[in-house]
Amino acid sequence: TQLLEQSPQFLSIQEGENLTVYCNSSSVFSSLQWYRQEPGEGPVLLVTVVTGGEVKKLKRLTFQFGDARKDSSLHITAAQTGDTGLYLCAGEVEYGNKLVFGAGTILRVKS
Amino acid sequence: NAGVTQTPKFRILKIGQSMTLQCTQDMNHNYMYWYRQDPGMGLKLIYYSVGAGITDKGEVPNGYNVSRSTTEDFPLRLELAAPSQTSVYFCASSFIGQGDEQYFGPGTRLTVT
Repeated sequence: TQLLEQSPQFLSIQEGENLTVYCNSSSVFSSLQWYRQEPGEGPVLLVTVVTGGEVKKLKRLTFQFGDARKDSSLHITAAQTGDTGLYLCAGEVEYGNKLVFGAGTILRVKS
Repeated sequence: NAGVTQTPKFRILKIGQSMTLQCTQDMNHNYMYWYRQDPGMGLKLIYYSVGAGITDKGEVPNGYNVSRSTTEDFPLRLELAAPSQTSVYFCASSFIGQGDEQYFGPGTRLTVT
């Protein structure tokens, strides 16, 4: 069974601070996706990383896929209250888009 | 496009009752999925389908059944509901291929008492 360990589980920070969320596994994934989920809604895709060592930027969010395709990180610069939500990483365990999800990181950004 | 729709939004079941969670997508996606989300546990794959007539088990299939008679619909059946099936259920769909985005419905919150 492939497992994705996500840390931290919960993060409460002030607006303007930086933060990093980590997603680690002993398994290799063909791709890794990051989703954001708001209360009462389904997850929404933020980014997909496919190549080992890949770095993708989405405005203030920077996503990195580890060289060995076993881990990933999400870095948010100058967090805003609108970044509040549940962040989920998901590894694609085999071609055909079956995903294994991490337990999620609850981010709360205070003004 | 409505995307992925799920009904009902909420449901309370008594132990031993049965019910079907409905899921429909209008994006002509080949792949469809059912997940359950428990607090602090992320999403666990229950069943998935790669096309009409084809279904397969995910990580936690026990106590559930699915069918896929059309591209659009992927209902999830709970037989003999148990308290352990109290959860939020999400249906998702994707087109095909490596790393394709999964589009999620709004979820069904189910309580079994």
